[in-house]
Amino acid sequence: DAKTTQPPSMDCAEGRAANLPCNHSTISGNEYVYWYRQIHSQGPQYIIHGLKNNETNEMASLIITEDRKSSTLILPHATLRDTAVYYCIVRSDSNYQLIWGAGTKLIIKP
Amino acid sequence: NAGVTQTPKFRILKIGQSMTLQCTQDMNHNYMYWYRQDPGMGLKLIYYSVGAGITDKGEVPNGYNVSRSTTEDFPLRLELAAPSQTSVYFCASSSPGTSGSYEQFFGPGTRLTVL
Repeated sequence: DAKTTQPPSMDCAEGRAANLPCNHSTISGNEYVYWYRQIHSQGPQYIIHGLKNNETNEMASLIITEDRKSSTLILPHATLRDTAVYYCIVRSDSNYQLIWGAGTKLIIKP
Repeated sequence: NAGVTQTPKFRILKIGQSMTLQCTQDMNHNYMYWYRQDPGMGLKLIYYSVGAGITDKGEVPNGYNVSRSTTEDFPLRLELAAPSQTSVYFCASSSPGTSGSYEQFFGPGTRLTVL
């Protein structure tokens, strides 16, 4: 599975959009991009995933570049409860395993 | 639905002791996973299972064993505990789902200290 690169930490003001970048320059054609988050040492929580097209759900939006070498997770109106570590993961269609990096620690400030 | 449950929540072991971490899911998921997470790090896959009777090694299987006799249960066995096994252990389960997402649902974790 391709590896991902994320900034170790980011800040965002409450109520603003939080944009979390992820680089996956070695991604293959059958590999999906997943985002999970982990709040204060709880079990991780699935946020969203995508292959080629941009995706949106009730939690976030996922923007994948046309060459698929990078993506951005967008939390449109960040709240204090969104403070967490966010993991960007690439998963092969033929492999159920997720390979986790260190993630981005997002701190939402009042 | 309770989702994924893990017991115990906390445990302290002495070097050389053994224990079993329990994991149960009530979502009828075929796929189950065991991860460990060391401080400040991402999760590392220990073992996984794609169905009852089928298990396979992940990234860091040494020192652990698993079994999967039912769809619901996926216990993790530590034999001869070592300080290097001090970690937080997460169990997860997944299925294809309506969108083929294989979204993994996680339990609350077991915090294990080996002294």
